Amino acid sequence: KAGVTQTPRYLIKTRGQQVTLSCSPISGHRSVSWYQQTPGQGLQFLFEYFSETQRNKGNFPGRFSGRQFSNSRSEMNVSTLELGDSALYLCASSLGTSLGREYFGPGTRLTVT
Amino acid sequence: DAKTTQPPSMDCAEGRAANLPCNHSTISGNEYVYWYRQIHSQGPQYIIHGLKNNETNEMASLIITEDRKSSTLILPHATLRDTAVYYCIVIFSGNDYKLSFGAGTTVTVRA
Repeated sequence: KAGVTQTPRYLIKTRGQQVTLSCSPISGHRSVSWYQQTPGQGLQFLFEYFSETQRNKGNFPGRFSGRQFSNSRSEMNVSTLELGDSALYLCASSLGTSLGREYFGPGTRLTVT
Repeated sequence: DAKTTQPPSMDCAEGRAANLPCNHSTISGNEYVYWYRQIHSQGPQYIIHGLKNNETNEMASLIITEDRKSSTLILPHATLRDTAVYYCIVIFSGNDYKLSFGAGTTVTVRA
């Protein structure tokens, strides 16, 4: 079974721009979660989508948004990029019922200059 | 969610067992202990989890103390590919759980 895929793998953007990241979950998984990972803050939860609905949300500003499509694929958008948004953005999928057991993609490394 | 404490780093000889400790003294009765690891340049990988009984799978064993205030992840025969950052986390068994990793333990397996 194919794993979680994320595109693009690397991205360089300028402050003020916006960016869209994409995630394709494991086939059959209905839950997709997004995380931001930085050396200083570690792994932080952004939001989770289950069956096209946002089920949980972390403590990030409204510039961070997401959506999930009917085929469970998900996108994350960050508007008005700031230098502090430079991070590894990870997507994880699960069945949505196996508490805490998530399957992570390789991540998208975003650099904001 | 309960906070966890792990040593920042440890070394292990290839072929030997690696024992990774984790303290979670404020864990509550409905919180699970999970272990993930992250190999350089990859996303985190689930290893094992448990509530109060010891658990074993093809990757590792998890030993949870009777009072549940600490646990140990055991990699029975460490290989060079086990070099990674290992995260111990505690998750509340509810629909609004969310993963949050701290600094973890950097494990270096040496030949």
